[in-house]
Amino acid sequence: DTEVTQTPKHLVMGMTNKKSLKCEQHMGHRAMYWYKQKAKKPPELMFVYSYEKLSINESVPSRFSPECPNSSLLNLHLHALQPEDSALYLCASSQGGSSTDTQYFGPGTRLTVL
Amino acid sequence: DQQVKQNSPSLSVQEGRISILNCDYTNSMFDYFLWYKKYPAEGPTFLISISSIKDKNEDGRFTVFLNKSAKHLSLHIVPSQPGDSAVYFCAARMRDNFNKFYFGSGTKLNVKP
Repeated sequence: DTEVTQTPKHLVMGMTNKKSLKCEQHMGHRAMYWYKQKAKKPPELMFVYSYEKLSINESVPSRFSPECPNSSLLNLHLHALQPEDSALYLCASSQGGSSTDTQYFGPGTRLTVL
Repeated sequence: DQQVKQNSPSLSVQEGRISILNCDYTNSMFDYFLWYKKYPAEGPTFLISISSIKDKNEDGRFTVFLNKSAKHLSLHIVPSQPGDSAVYFCAARMRDNFNKFYFGSGTKLNVKP
């Protein structure tokens, strides 16, 4: 099973809303990632959790708040977003700590901020 | 400054012919390279990878070549099929940071029947 699942598939929210994106994997991977992807651009790394600890924060604004409740789950809490935050949000996972680590991506959540 | 570059935003190839997608990188600390395929409205799917200790890796119709001296890698698809039409991203990672992957901007491949 090489599946990473993400919910919801689509999300529309206002600038004052609070919402959360969820990601789950059951491959026993110990590293999990959040990426943001705009149209015709490469995925842009936001956060990395390694063994349930935040290891990389790519200077992401505080209106995005990640959480890793356990090794299988990754959340991204959203609050007071801006219209320019509209994008495809991708979750990925990898074994973590391997020289031949490969990331497996979920299908993404298409976020629209009105 | 983008450390992984795909200079061709698009490529069109006839079905049955070879598709060659190119990727250049600037950082000599990269030691592991990957290719991903992405269909619209889906997440990237891992395709093939290569370690810097090799110069070629093959998996079915897909072959990745690595030229370390030129800091260049390429993905060959032979024969190309219409189902290969997608955006292809190359990615690279440094030996001292397994968790950070650097992506190119992608090449959109169109395989014509």
